[in-house]
Amino acid sequence: AQTVTQSQPEMSVQEAETVTLSCTYDTSENNYYLFWYKQPPSRQMILVIRQEAYKQQNATENRFSVNFQKAAKSFSLKISDSQLGDTAMYFCAFTFRTGANNLFFGTGTRLTVIP
Amino acid sequence: EPEVTQTPSHQVTQMGQEVILRCVPISNHLYFYWYRQILGQKVEFLVSFYNNEISEKSEIFDDQFSVERPDGSNFTLKIRSTKLEDSAMYFCASRDRGLRYGYTFGSGTRLTVV
Repeated sequence: AQTVTQSQPEMSVQEAETVTLSCTYDTSENNYYLFWYKQPPSRQMILVIRQEAYKQQNATENRFSVNFQKAAKSFSLKISDSQLGDTAMYFCAFTFRTGANNLFFGTGTRLTVIP
Repeated sequence: EPEVTQTPSHQVTQMGQEVILRCVPISNHLYFYWYRQILGQKVEFLVSFYNNEISEKSEIFDDQFSVERPDGSNFTLKIRSTKLEDSAMYFCASRDRGLRYGYTFGSGTRLTVV
């Protein structure tokens, strides 16, 4: 079975600083996608960043970047220049590349940005 | 930007009553999902739907649950006889074949069973 592990239930970061959220996953498959989703207090689930497993280059979206280590099955999220609006629950998620497969979610990391 | 729309945003129902949660996925998406999240906890998969039939369902999705795509646009989740433990946030999601934009989630329906 596929599992996604987020070992940091809560983290905090000073505004304008950088923070890294950890995620590891377990699968025997080779073709898959990894995602980070943000869930602010409004409870909406918002896609932050997406990584295709066959691409070695780490994905980047503005202040958000990932460190994808396929051999280690690690997929961490780095948030640079943290802003108050980054305060949210962050979920790491995994899915297979083909088919109607669902998303496997981690348990989430609650990030608080301190002014 | 296209979005997934869910209604209602909040529903309160009495235990044992039937509820229908509604979703309008993004129009050119092919795969549809329901997830639920009990307050402050993990997001749990309920069911996936493709080509007008269920592709996969979790053990949570028992005989009390059903899904339908009656008219090619709406995608509904029905709970036949609600229990207190069905109280949760229910999210609908859809995606295209290529996963270019990931899974797009609706803003959720908060279901409270009293």
